[in-house]
Amino acid sequence: GENVEQHPSTLSVQEGDSAVIKCTYSDSASNYFPWYKQELGKGPQLIIDIRSNVGEKKDQRIAVTLNKTAKHFSLHITETQPEDSAVYFCAAVRLTGGGNKLTFGTGTQLKVEL
Amino acid sequence: NAGVTQTPKFQVLKTGQSMTLQCAQDMNHNSMYWYRQDPGMGLRLIYYSASEGTTDKGEVPNGYNVSRLNKREFSLRLESAAPSQTSVYFCASRQTSGSYNEQFFGPGTRLTVL
Repeated sequence: GENVEQHPSTLSVQEGDSAVIKCTYSDSASNYFPWYKQELGKGPQLIIDIRSNVGEKKDQRIAVTLNKTAKHFSLHITETQPEDSAVYFCAAVRLTGGGNKLTFGTGTQLKVEL
Repeated sequence: NAGVTQTPKFQVLKTGQSMTLQCAQDMNHNSMYWYRQDPGMGLRLIYYSASEGTTDKGEVPNGYNVSRLNKREFSLRLESAAPSQTSVYFCASRQTSGSYNEQFFGPGTRLTVL
């Protein structure tokens, strides 16, 4: 089955700096890669996703890049703000139209310091 | 639109007791999922239901059973709780038609087994 590794497990940045979180996946058939943000005491929420036919996607301060050859994808957050502090999860799946079981990374605790 | 709701929010059980975690969604989604979240291990899939009337095992199904009661509701049952089942449980749902793939998560149930 799919295996997703995520690094780093914790990341501390100064407000206004950039943050990068990296994930690798094992199944070359995976074609959908979402990123979720989880705030304390809440369920994860999708913040951005990318399909395998796209190399990069951007949404305001958040961007995701995908390298299919190397089987890794990354989340980039620019101009970080205190409200970006949360746990971030990457995931991978091969979309089949059925259950589409996501395999999650182990999470990155991002702390944005003032 | 309440999205995905879960009850209860917190629960303490003694070893050997049974309980059912309830989940409901009002988005008319076809697929529903149960995950558990443990420190340092991300989210792991317990069971899922690709559509009403079907259920399948995920990565960690042992000790659990599920029921897809109707399109809205998907319950998770612990028949004989064990301390290893102490975790935070999340329910999620997803629409399977079209190209939209986001999984929507509920707020979670924090379960402690003594």
